[in-house]
Amino acid sequence: QAGLTQPPSVSKGLRQTATLTCTGNSNNVGDQGAAWLQQVQGHPPKLLWYRNNNRPSGISERFSASRSGYTASLTITGLQPEDEADYYCSAWDSSLSAWVFGGGTKLTVL
Amino acid sequence: QVQIVESGGGIVQPGGSLRLSCVASGFSFSDSGMHWVRQAPGKGLEWVALIYYDGKNKYYGDSVKGRFTISRDNSKNTVYLEMSRLIAEDTSTYYCAREGAGGTGMDVWGQGTMVTVSS
Repeated sequence: QAGLTQPPSVSKGLRQTATLTCTGNSNNVGDQGAAWLQQVQGHPPKLLWYRNNNRPSGISERFSASRSGYTASLTITGLQPEDEADYYCSAWDSSLSAWVFGGGTKLTVL
Repeated sequence: QVQIVESGGGIVQPGGSLRLSCVASGFSFSDSGMHWVRQAPGKGLEWVALIYYDGKNKYYGDSVKGRFTISRDNSKNTVYLEMSRLIAEDTSTYYCAREGAGGTGMDVWGQGTMVTVSS
């Protein structure tokens, strides 16, 4: 199954803003958007953003997401050391009748 | 307290079978879709299967279709993943996750259970 496309790595400085991207097509991201997850090394993933454009309870307002066409973006403001993690996007693909994930982006906070 | 706990992982020979269990608590299980997602060592997330709240609709990833079966018992707040004809590429940590309302994302995750396929 074709997945979503994410850059393998992004590096940003402390207190800077990082924007991570996720590109799909009209059947997934372009249809109903993408959800975003964070996975810290050694831990299970954690949902940061719902596909319906809502932030789960307890998630910092430093995390926000948007979509333009077939590309979804996750923006993290005021980067902190604890933001260093792998970030995944996911979406339901209506043509495959399957969920698809991006390959993940490793965020390094310098 | 919302919680998901997976079990059943272990070492199995190629061609063998294994059944994973996922017990949920702290939320209305019978109203929730449930996923299995796996992650091979050092690799990214791969979606495995989804079962709707009532068990009537099931979906599978291409790599497991025909070999894995997802099911649930709402009386036990448990979802299962029956895995057969296992191959080395199935070696992964298997996570169980709750589907957010309206199919909006996987919003509650367990700690995962490790499956190793090796002779």
